Amino acid sequence: GAVVSQHPSWVICKSGTSVKIECRSLDFQATTMFWYRQFPKQSLMLMATSNEGSKATYEQGVEKDKFLINHASLTLSTLTVTSAHPEDSSFYICSAKTGPGELFFGEGSRLTVL
Amino acid sequence: GQNIDQPTEMTATEGAIVQINCTYQTSGFNGLFWYQQHAGEAPTFLSYNVLDGLEEKGRFSSFLSRSKGYSYLLLKELQMKDSASYLCAVSSPSGTYKYIFGTGTRLKVLA
Repeated sequence: GAVVSQHPSWVICKSGTSVKIECRSLDFQATTMFWYRQFPKQSLMLMATSNEGSKATYEQGVEKDKFLINHASLTLSTLTVTSAHPEDSSFYICSAKTGPGELFFGEGSRLTVL
Repeated sequence: GQNIDQPTEMTATEGAIVQINCTYQTSGFNGLFWYQQHAGEAPTFLSYNVLDGLEEKGRFSSFLSRSKGYSYLLLKELQMKDSASYLCAVSSPSGTYKYIFGTGTRLKVLA
């Protein structure tokens, strides 16, 4: 199946700093990528849909100025958590698809804000 | 609105059969997916149903009834490694085929 790579896997940062997470489709072109957030023992919550060459579409309740998404190429989308605070600590997962079928997930990035 | 419901937790014995149910109410439907997720890891794909009926894949089977907004995942010959969360997700054709995930079911397999 298709491969999606996410980096970094783990990141620890100080409160007030910004963190960038990268999501790459390694063997296919992804015009659309999705960013999810997952708290412990909870399911995936869709944060935004990242569209190549255009602005991301954010879900209700997700602050677009807080979570900056850039999809500059067909193989790369980035999520930047700006001015991170401890409540932003979570597991962030990106995903991509090649069409209206299976969704392929990255390995996930665990963010801890001190 | 969008709503996908699953039981929160289930427990079963090694070697047994377990059925995990999922009911959904979404604006549009373009397929239902089941994913397995071990703690601290990303989800992995298990099955996909777009038409009514049963899809079988080894020890795992998934059933869909679109008229009832209902699906189930059937796991046979349970193994300890099947202890994980099972996520039901619906693909909604909202331009970019957005995927909405259910609450997830944490399955614990006991020896």
